[in-house]
Amino acid sequence: DIVVTQSPDSLAVSLGERATINCKSSQSLLYSTNNKNYLAWYQHKPGQPPKLLIYWASTRESGVPDRFSGGGSETDFTLTISSMQAEDVAVYYCQQYYSTPQAFGQGTKVEIK
Amino acid sequence: QVQLVQSGAEVKKPGSSVRVSCETSGKSFRTYAISWVRQAPGQGLEWVGGTFPVFGITHYAQKFQGRVTITPDESTGTAYLEMTNLRSDDTAVYYCARSLGLRGLPSGYFDHWGQGTLVTVS
Repeated sequence: DIVVTQSPDSLAVSLGERATINCKSSQSLLYSTNNKNYLAWYQHKPGQPPKLLIYWASTRESGVPDRFSGGGSETDFTLTISSMQAEDVAVYYCQQYYSTPQAFGQGTKVEIK
Repeated sequence: QVQLVQSGAEVKKPGSSVRVSCETSGKSFRTYAISWVRQAPGQGLEWVGGTFPVFGITHYAQKFQGRVTITPDESTGTAYLEMTNLRSDDTAVYYCARSLGLRGLPSGYFDHWGQGTLVTVS
């Protein structure tokens, strides 16, 4: 089974500053046939379902602010919030969908410093 | 506009069973995969399993094998999660979520989610 591990577990960022979350996979998530990385990022706030931010490692979902960006390839990935806003306080998860069982990282809690 | 609407909260005794439903709107129910994801109190997201009706396949996370059944009803566009022999650590919010279904598997990124169903085992 593919395991994805996030770091750090929590992060405190000042308003307007950059936040970076890392996600490391136990196996490559790059599918050679289509050259796509099978990794997504979600934002989860209390009392709401998770919200898709990024898929194929770097494609932003429609309606997601452009301060959110995803990068990386194969086993190492990042989610960056370029300028932290108050509404970005949430838990963020990466997810591998290369194979089943699909797996989420353990989550990174992002707060305001 | 795609919507996934789940059934209401449940309170169950240990050892009993629960069935949660997820009704989808929109067409092409069978050509998408539906997964169930749960979040226990204070914990992260956990994939329980998923079904891909057009291929007639359903996969489960190993820890749930034999205790969970996911069933698609193509006539109503509804997916069901049934869990038996409930334990206190099954207390969680259960979400259904839709994905494209990739490489013939019930996998993919989740672009639409249900509102969540709280199952309490006590």
